[in-house]
Amino acid sequence: DAGVTQTPRHEVAEKGQTIILKCEPVSGHNDLFWYRQTKIQGLELLSYFRSKSLMEDGGAFKDRFKAEMLNSSFSTLKIQPTEPKDSAVYLCASSWGDAETLYFGSGTRLTVL
Amino acid sequence: AQSVTQPDARVTVSEGASLQLRCKYSSSVTPYLFWYVQYPRQGLQLLLKYYSGDPVVQGVNGFEAEFSKSNSSFHLRKASVHWSDSAVYFCAVTPNYGNEKITFGAGTKLTIKP
Repeated sequence: DAGVTQTPRHEVAEKGQTIILKCEPVSGHNDLFWYRQTKIQGLELLSYFRSKSLMEDGGAFKDRFKAEMLNSSFSTLKIQPTEPKDSAVYLCASSWGDAETLYFGSGTRLTVL
Repeated sequence: AQSVTQPDARVTVSEGASLQLRCKYSSSVTPYLFWYVQYPRQGLQLLLKYYSGDPVVQGVNGFEAEFSKSNSSFHLRKASVHWSDSAVYFCAVTPNYGNEKITFGAGTKLTIKP
């Protein structure tokens, strides 16, 4: 089975730009998560979908971060406008459901200049 | 509410030596516990998980962990480490019911000395 696929692997953006990160979850998984990973803050939950419905939109990340899941096999995370403090690794993960193993993609490393 | 504490940000061990990575958790309900590993430039991968039953659970690559309810701990162990075990290890907790999602610890970076 294919794992979680994230594209691109690396993204460099100028401050103020809009960027879109993509994720394909494991086929058949019901839950999809977007995390931001930094050395200082560790793993921070940005968004959580269950069966394509947005269940959690990450509170503090609401204003410039928007995740969508248009179908069960594809999700996007849009950051608009980008700021240098958004530089981080963005991880997508999927699972069958509550308390089940999370399967992570390799992440997108975003650098905002 | 739930939380996870990994008290050691970095651990260095000689190849062939034994290893213990510490994890303390706090949960208002019965927790499910996980250890994940992250190799450089990769996402997290499951090492092992504990739901119930025998408090010692076996994982991949010779890792095991022991759940202690009295100590609120879920420490990870390996009898003999290999250089390829160098990675960042995350402990995580999720409740066995409810809407709260998984909470990750800050991670422990393991370095294996030759």
